[in-house]
Amino acid sequence: DTEVTQTPKHLVMGMTNKKSLKCEQHMGHRAMYWYKQKAKKPPELMFVYSYEKLSINESVPSRFSPECPNSSLLNLHLHALQPEDSALYLCASSPHRGLEQYFGPGTRLTVT
Amino acid sequence: DAKTTQPTSMDCAEGRAANLPCNHSTISGNEYVYWYRQIHSQGPQYIIHGLKNNETNEMASLIITEDRKSSTLILPHATLRDTAVYYCIVRVEGVDAGNNRKLIWGLGTSLAVNP
Repeated sequence: DTEVTQTPKHLVMGMTNKKSLKCEQHMGHRAMYWYKQKAKKPPELMFVYSYEKLSINESVPSRFSPECPNSSLLNLHLHALQPEDSALYLCASSPHRGLEQYFGPGTRLTVT
Repeated sequence: DAKTTQPTSMDCAEGRAANLPCNHSTISGNEYVYWYRQIHSQGPQYIIHGLKNNETNEMASLIITEDRKSSTLILPHATLRDTAVYYCIVRVEGVDAGNNRKLIWGLGTSLAVNP
């Protein structure tokens, strides 16, 4: 299984809602990543987990809260988001930090 | 800040080689060059990476100049399915106290392969 899956594919939420994005991989990879991508821009790194520990937080606002319950799962908890947080949220994994990353298809998030 | 510069867009005829250039004049000696592509509405896909030597795999070839200030990604026989945004990326080392690595993405080249 060489796939990274993300759910949901699309999410619309209000500014007072709490929601979560989910990412899963079964390739035995020990590094997992969250990226945010705005239209016509490259992905921007948000968080990196290595061996289930948070190793990089790119000064992301606290309304985004990552969680890595086990080596196959990565969640991104969302609370009190702003309309400018609307974007494509991409999850990726790699065998170790810094090696080639495998990306999921992303969750298209709209904040109203 | 991006460490790479790429043309905004390029065209290529189907069946011909697509040569995508990238400048990375400030690259350091231990920083790798990576290429990813992103087909519309999909997640990015790894293509190839290299440090000093030219590299080839089943998808593409990567030619890095001797001074490492630029590189070219070559798709030898482009097909319509190769239409995508191609990102040239530098992997930087030791970005923090944890000695983490990061990918610094360029703005990408939008490649259109035409019939």
